Amino acid sequence: DIVMTQSPDSLAVSLGERATINCKSSQSILYNSNNKNSLAWYQQKPGQPPKLLIYWASTRESGVPDRFSGSGSGTDFTLTISSLQAEDVAVYYCQQYYGTPPTFGQGTKLEIK
Amino acid sequence: QVQLQESGPGLVKPSETLSLTCTVSGGSISNYFWSWIRQPPGKGLEWIGYIYYIGSTNYNPSLKSRVTISVDTSKNQFSLKVNSVTAADTAVYYCARAPGMTRSMVRGVTITHFDYWGQGTLVTVSS
Repeated sequence: DIVMTQSPDSLAVSLGERATINCKSSQSILYNSNNKNSLAWYQQKPGQPPKLLIYWASTRESGVPDRFSGSGSGTDFTLTISSLQAEDVAVYYCQQYYGTPPTFGQGTKLEIK
Repeated sequence: QVQLQESGPGLVKPSETLSLTCTVSGGSISNYFWSWIRQPPGKGLEWIGYIYYIGSTNYNPSLKSRVTISVDTSKNQFSLKVNSVTAADTAVYYCARAPGMTRSMVRGVTITHFDYWGQGTLVTVSS
């Protein structure tokens, strides 16, 4: 299985500041046929299912605010929230879909400082 | 707007079979890949398996010997069965849709990200 490792495990950021979450895969997840990385980011608030934010590492899902962005390639990826809002408090997960089984990172808990 | 809703018993006895159904509304079950994903309380996410609407399946090797996923296109539903459950199977179970797949000679068919999720249902394994 491809192992996804997120850092940090938890993060506290002031309102309006930038938040950065990292995700590293145990092998490259670049899909050669379309030259895109098979990586998604999700946001999960307490008592709710995960919500898709980003797929193909940098494509924002419809309706997701543009303060959320994804970047990276190969094995190293980043989710950036450019200006943290109170409603962004959540746990964030990365997921690879290059190999089967699809696997998730352990999650990063984002809080307000 | 596509909606998914899990249903089934919230309590299952050890060694028995966990059975859940996911009902899809607001869209057709056809032409998509439908997965089950679980999350033990306070922990991360584990993919269980998927079914394509025509009935082809793929399961997580860690659970493959105990899991069956089936589909009923006439009811726009798909279902999960997990045999011989233990306390380690206690989790919130989600159904989710994968909008596409990728294919390669080496890796075969791989589903993509999950764009729609059910609200989840907590299943507790306890006597």
